[in-house]
Amino acid sequence: DIVMTQTPLSSPVTLGQPASISCRSSQSLVHSDGNTYLSWLQQRPGQPPRLLIYKISNRFSGVPDRFSGSGAGTDFTLKISRVETEDVGVYFCMQATQFPNTFGQGTKLEIK
Amino acid sequence: EVQLVESGGGLVQPGGSLRLSCAASGFTFTNYWMNWVRQAPGKGLEWVASVKQDESEKNYVDSVKGRFTISRDNAKNSVYLQMNSLRAEDTAVYYCLRGMWIPGYWGQGTLVTVSS
Repeated sequence: DIVMTQTPLSSPVTLGQPASISCRSSQSLVHSDGNTYLSWLQQRPGQPPRLLIYKISNRFSGVPDRFSGSGAGTDFTLKISRVETEDVGVYFCMQATQFPNTFGQGTKLEIK
Repeated sequence: EVQLVESGGGLVQPGGSLRLSCAASGFTFTNYWMNWVRQAPGKGLEWVASVKQDESEKNYVDSVKGRFTISRDNAKNSVYLQMNSLRAEDTAVYYCLRGMWIPGYWGQGTLVTVSS
């Protein structure tokens, strides 16, 4: 199974400042079709997960452009350019390149 | 508008069974793999099962193999999760999810509690 490891697990950030979350996979996420099925999800308290980024760097419909994704192979990053109050929640990376699909442990973003 | 509505959760004793349903609308159901993902209270996300458009392929996380069965009814735009031999560790909110490659649409979830 592919293990997804996120760092940090907790991230206190000042409003208006940037934030960054790292996700590392235990093996390459490049699929045989050439795509890399690495997504980033946000989960606010009491809500289902919400897709932010898919295939490393593609923003999903309605996602603000302050969210961006990057990386390749086994190392990926989610960046928030300027954190807003509504960004508080838990962020998960997820791979769907290989079954079983697996998630990172989650990173809790909170405001300082 | 894409909608996924789960139902069927509840309290069940260890060893018991439940059948979860997910009613889909707002998209061409037969174009997509459908999936179940769960989240234990206060914990992270765990993929549970996936079913291909024509049911020719089904995949499960190891911890549910032999106990859970995913199925779909394309005529009813619905996906199901039959859960047998339930254990305390199956207690979770179960989410229905359209596609895993672009996991953009999730249901609100249905809570399954396994307890005596």
